[in-house]
Amino acid sequence: QVQLVQSGAEVKKPGSSVKVSCKASGGTFSSYAISWVRQAPGQGLEWMGGIIPIFGTANYAQKFQGRVTITADESTSTAYMELSSLRSEDTAVYYCARATRITMVQGVTYYYYYYMDVWGKGTTVTVSS
Amino acid sequence: EIVMTQSPATLSVSPGERATLSCRASQSVSSNLAWYQQKPGQAPRLLIYGASTRATGIPARFSGSGSGTEFTLTISSLQSEDFAVYYCQQYNNWHWTFGQGTKVEIK
Repeated sequence: QVQLVQSGAEVKKPGSSVKVSCKASGGTFSSYAISWVRQAPGQGLEWMGGIIPIFGTANYAQKFQGRVTITADESTSTAYMELSSLRSEDTAVYYCARATRITMVQGVTYYYYYYMDVWGKGTTVTVSS
Repeated sequence: EIVMTQSPATLSVSPGERATLSCRASQSVSSNLAWYQQKPGQAPRLLIYGASTRATGIPARFSGSGSGTEFTLTISSLQSEDFAVYYCQQYNNWHWTFGQGTKVEIK
């Protein structure tokens, strides 16, 4: 059973960047997507973006466009999320999640959808001066 | 961006009773909807995907229904371990969004 092992807690200054890693233990990224979700203290879940490692393309929530970069290294089954220009409001727990693909066929067109089925334990990022 | 709206914000239920949680999408997401359970200090856990398919290991008391813009998660007989926050999430396009959550608390 695959597990996602995330890097440790970080404390950062406003204006700096943070890079969080997520390594698949007991499995690989093949045919999956990796997504990043954050949760500010006492708040709900917020999707930040995701990547399909075999394609190498990332998609980002509009709110984080230009500030977040999601990458993946298939050779080490590790994904990364880098968030720049940090501010106090970025203080949160950051989760990575593996997303499994569902294929729908309509006529000759294939549609791919992904749902998040395996989650890391989360990485706490604190932004404070 | 597709906005997901959950209701109610808080649901007070006695153990053994039925709980019904609602989730509405601002536009159709077909059946591309998942439900997650989250307990304090823990990562979310997948309960339902495809609007109605239980994830591996999820008890049969959890069921999901709906398509398009209206979805429901039903917990048929609440157990003590079911008191938690529940989130719906759409994955119909590559800009996923969550509802704000429904907290199920002990009455």
